[in-house]
This record gives sequence, C-alpha cells and structure tokens, in this order.
Amino acid sequence: KAGVTQTPRYLIKTRGQQVTLSCSPISGHRSVSWYQQTPGQGLQFLFEYFSETQRNKGNFPGRFSGRQFSNSRSEMNVSTLELGDSALYLCASSATSGVTGELFFGEGSRLTVL
Amino acid sequence: AQSVTQLDSQVPVFEEAPVELRCNYSSSVSVYLFWYVQYPNQGLQLLLKYLSGSTLVKGINGFEAEFNKSQTSFHLRKPSVHISDTAEYFCAVSEGDQAGTALIFGKGTTLSVSS
Repeated sequence: KAGVTQTPRYLIKTRGQQVTLSCSPISGHRSVSWYQQTPGQGLQFLFEYFSETQRNKGNFPGRFSGRQFSNSRSEMNVSTLELGDSALYLCASSATSGVTGELFFGEGSRLTVL
Repeated sequence: AQSVTQLDSQVPVFEEAPVELRCNYSSSVSVYLFWYVQYPNQGLQLLLKYLSGSTLVKGINGFEAEFNKSQTSFHLRKPSVHISDTAEYFCAVSEGDQAGTALIFGKGTTLSVSS
C-alpha cells in the first residue's frame, strides 16, 4: 500500500512569491492534515481537511491556505512568501477525522525562501 | 493553552543501555497523548498512543510509555536501545476528538545511540 506522497520534495522561492504544495494521502484515507516544522518553532498544526471541508485551522496568517479535492488529494498554498516561511511542510493522512486514528506522515516538502 | 515540554533536547546513550525520554504536558481537560519518531529526512511515525484505559502503553520497536495524570507526564522508555533507535522523538497531545488531528508537539528529543 503506497504511503503519503508529497510533491515537490524540495523547492526554493524568493520573498513575495507564492508556492503550492501537493499531498496524496494513502488510498482510502479521507482526512489530510498539514504541519509546519521549523528549528525554532518545532511542529505546528496548519489545518485539517476531511471530505473536502476544512475541519480545523491552526494559528497561521491568512497567507496560508489549503483545499482538498474529491479524490482526497490536498494542496496547500502560501502567498507572499516571507523568509520565516522556510520550513519542512509535512502532510499526514488518516482514515478518519479525529486523533484516535493513526496519522501517517509523508516525507515532507522542504521550502527555502531567499 | 495546552503545551508540551520535552525536558531533554538531547540524550546520548550507549547501545543496549536503557533510556527514558521525558515529556510533561499542561492541559485542563482530558487529553490523548502520543509519541512519534522521526528518522533523518523522513516524516513522523507513530510509536504509541494513550487514549484511555491502562496507563502503561506498549508501542512498536520495544518502546513503552506510562501516563501519569497527577504528574501530567508521559515518559517514553526502552529497556535496551539499538543503534537504529537513533532519531528524533516527539511527544504530542490532543484535547480529544473536537480537536481533530490538531496535535500540539513538544520541541523534540534527539536520541543518539553509540556503540
């Protein structure tokens, strides 16, 4: 069974640009969550989507947005990039919406903002 | 607000020695607790979780953790570590189903196992 796939794995952008990251969950999983990982702040929850609806949102500015498609694939978008957005962005999928189910994480998309 | 404190940022140990990685949390409500492991250049993998019931939880790779409500702790232990256990370990907490998949993570503990 294929795991969670994130693309691209690495990317470099400049300040002011925007970026779109993609996540394909494990087949049959309907919940997709996004986390930001930085050395200073650690792992922080961005948002969760379940059946194309945003279920929860973390404390991030509106520049961070996401969506989920009918096949459960998800994208997150960051507009007007800032240097502080440099991070590893992790996607996790789950069969259910709720933390009692196991989260399966992808390997992440490493974003560098110059 | 909830928070998770991992008391040691780095823990060096020798192979076959026991190890304990400490985690304390703050929350005014009942919580679910988790330990995840992250190997270099990889995503996170669930080691074990406490949802309810027995306070001693056994996970994968020989790890176990004990939930202590009075001390608000959830320390991770392994009686004998291997070189392959070298990784970063994260403790996480959730306030339950209303929080969905929104976990609050600690800053992580780097476990370095040497021979």
